[in-house]
Amino acid sequence: GESVGLHLPTLSVQEGDNSIINCAYSNSASDYFIWYKQESGKGPQFIIDIRSNMDKRQGQRVTVLLNKTVKHLSLQIAATQPGDSAVYFCAENTRQAGTALIFGKGTTLSVSS
Amino acid sequence: GAVVSQHPSWVICKSGTSVKIECRSLDFQATTMFWYRQFPKQSLMLMATSNEGSKATYEQGVEKDKFLINHASLTLSTLTVTSAHPEDSSFYICSARGALGTDTQYFGPGTRLTVL
Repeated sequence: GESVGLHLPTLSVQEGDNSIINCAYSNSASDYFIWYKQESGKGPQFIIDIRSNMDKRQGQRVTVLLNKTVKHLSLQIAATQPGDSAVYFCAENTRQAGTALIFGKGTTLSVSS
Repeated sequence: GAVVSQHPSWVICKSGTSVKIECRSLDFQATTMFWYRQFPKQSLMLMATSNEGSKATYEQGVEKDKFLINHASLTLSTLTVTSAHPEDSSFYICSARGALGTDTQYFGPGTRLTVL
């Protein structure tokens, strides 16, 4: 079936560096994408989303880039902080009513001081 | 913002017993709720989709008679794990989508189930 995956299972950065987390998706019908952050023992926390009619969207310290040509999604975190350490998941959805988000495998971000 | 709660946050039960997990949307009406299961160091796997007032739709490989889902109101869905076994031990997470047509799913904090 269709799946959403991430390129790297772990990413280690220094505090203050910029982090880039990547995701590849395979369903060309997907038109809505979300990045979630999950800390240990907690539910996923919404970070930022993007629709397929856009290729870039910025939030506070975060930017999501969407390349529909190669079905690639990335999350950029500026000035990474220790509190950003968590597992990051990309998720995809289509406009079909009632469909659930499908999650990728996750990337563990470790930020050292 | 939209808040989803789950109760209990953790539960330990004996093998063979049933456990009920509640998922509530606190400040919005959720026409659709979703149940996910997450094993350690793995991603969230969709178990079922639940629409208010209708039967849940289960993903392939998920036993509907073992994982009973009830979505009786626009703010409450329950997942009952019947005759639980140790292999059912997992982190169960619900999410809810509002009635306004937004795509965003809001997630609960999860319930840690341990079956002895």
